[in-house]
Amino acid sequence: KAGVTQTPRYLIKTRGQQVTLSCSPISGHRSVSWYQQTPGQGLQFLFEYFSETQRNKGNFPGRFSGRQFSNSRSEMNVSTLELGDSALYLCASSLQGVETQYFGPGTRLLVL
Amino acid sequence: SQQGEEDPQALSIQEGENATMNCSYKTSINNLQWYRQNSGRGLVHLILIRSNEREKHSGRLRVTLDTSKKSSSLLITASRAADTASYFCATDEGSGNTPLVFGKGTRLSVIA
Repeated sequence: KAGVTQTPRYLIKTRGQQVTLSCSPISGHRSVSWYQQTPGQGLQFLFEYFSETQRNKGNFPGRFSGRQFSNSRSEMNVSTLELGDSALYLCASSLQGVETQYFGPGTRLLVL
Repeated sequence: SQQGEEDPQALSIQEGENATMNCSYKTSINNLQWYRQNSGRGLVHLILIRSNEREKHSGRLRVTLDTSKKSSSLLITASRAADTASYFCATDEGSGNTPLVFGKGTRLSVIA
């Protein structure tokens, strides 16, 4: 089976812009989770989608949003980018949720 | 939310030696997982141990879980240069489909 894919892999934006990141899970996986990874804060949970519904949400401002499509592909959007949003954004898929997560390679976002 | 804490933060050993990393957490869990991350890439699942298990092996990996002390250890035997990576523990909070919470990781360097 193909692994989790994320696009784009690298992105440079300026403050105030918005960005959309995409994640295609492993075929058959219905759960997609998003994480933000920074050197200072480590891996922080953003949200989880299961069968097109947001099932869990982390402690992030409303500028961070996401959605999941009927084919389980997921997107996350960050509006009004801030310098502190510079991070590696990781997506992970699993069959049901908190069991083994399969991670994509990540999207590295740099906000200038 | 709770977060696993890995110890030590960084570890440097010679090839062939064993590496031990520890993880402590705060609340009851259903299972604990260990992941590896090579520099700037996605995480790879290594092993999952359930709360009713005390020890688990997978190749050169040995994981123990002590729920009374709320701690786990990951032992990598006969380490190789290719084991150089960051290692994270991840826990769920044991109450349904709550998201995984990751620690900040142990950075392992194996010197050839």
